[in-house]
Amino acid sequence: DAGITQSPRYKITETGRQVTLMCHQTWSHSYMFWYRQDLGHGLRLIYYSAAADITDKGEVPDGYVVSRSKTENFPLTLESATRSQTSVYFCASSRQGGSTGELFFGEGSRLTVL
Amino acid sequence: GESVGLHLPTLSVQEGDNSIINCAYSNSASDYFIWYKQESGKGPQFIIDIRSNMDKRQGQRVTVLLNKTVKHLSLQIAATQPGDSAVYFCAENSGGGADGLTFGKGTHLIIQP
Repeated sequence: DAGITQSPRYKITETGRQVTLMCHQTWSHSYMFWYRQDLGHGLRLIYYSAAADITDKGEVPDGYVVSRSKTENFPLTLESATRSQTSVYFCASSRQGGSTGELFFGEGSRLTVL
Repeated sequence: GESVGLHLPTLSVQEGDNSIINCAYSNSASDYFIWYKQESGKGPQFIIDIRSNMDKRQGQRVTVLLNKTVKHLSLQIAATQPGDSAVYFCAENSGGGADGLTFGKGTHLIIQP
């Protein structure tokens, strides 16, 4: 039972570089989410997807791009990384949508932008 | 600011005692609330949820209480164990859509031996 997996778990990059964080779930959940977690801010929603080929912005989408060509994958791309994007990123999935049902979170990807 | 907040950022309790973690929310339209537990280096895990048509819900060693009059949510953990050490987040459905879950900043529960 693989569940939801994120890769890489740790990444160090430089300002201006492109970075892609991968997320894969094996439950065929319709909804997938990307959150960032920063001290003092808690979890903030970056983007979410209700189904394949459907994505929507969350609270803090600027500087990020997502795609969802397959139900099981939801990659998050930082097209030109900035230091303010140093954070821990969590992918999550849900059957019902995050506001009405349980979210299942991955282990997180810790990104450092130098 | 966030509508979901916590009264204490850190809570220290003796092993075996009961723990109570509090959460205040400001959106009276919120109708669904969840508590998550996050252990160090891991992602948040669902503990228990409650809908606004209830004021109490019990799980295994955990109880969530909802007081809509004062917009207050609490998580009670019975007979706290070392494995309960974690950060606990409350979250509320504040928007109604799939993205309408707002998380609080979290309370760090520390278990004293």
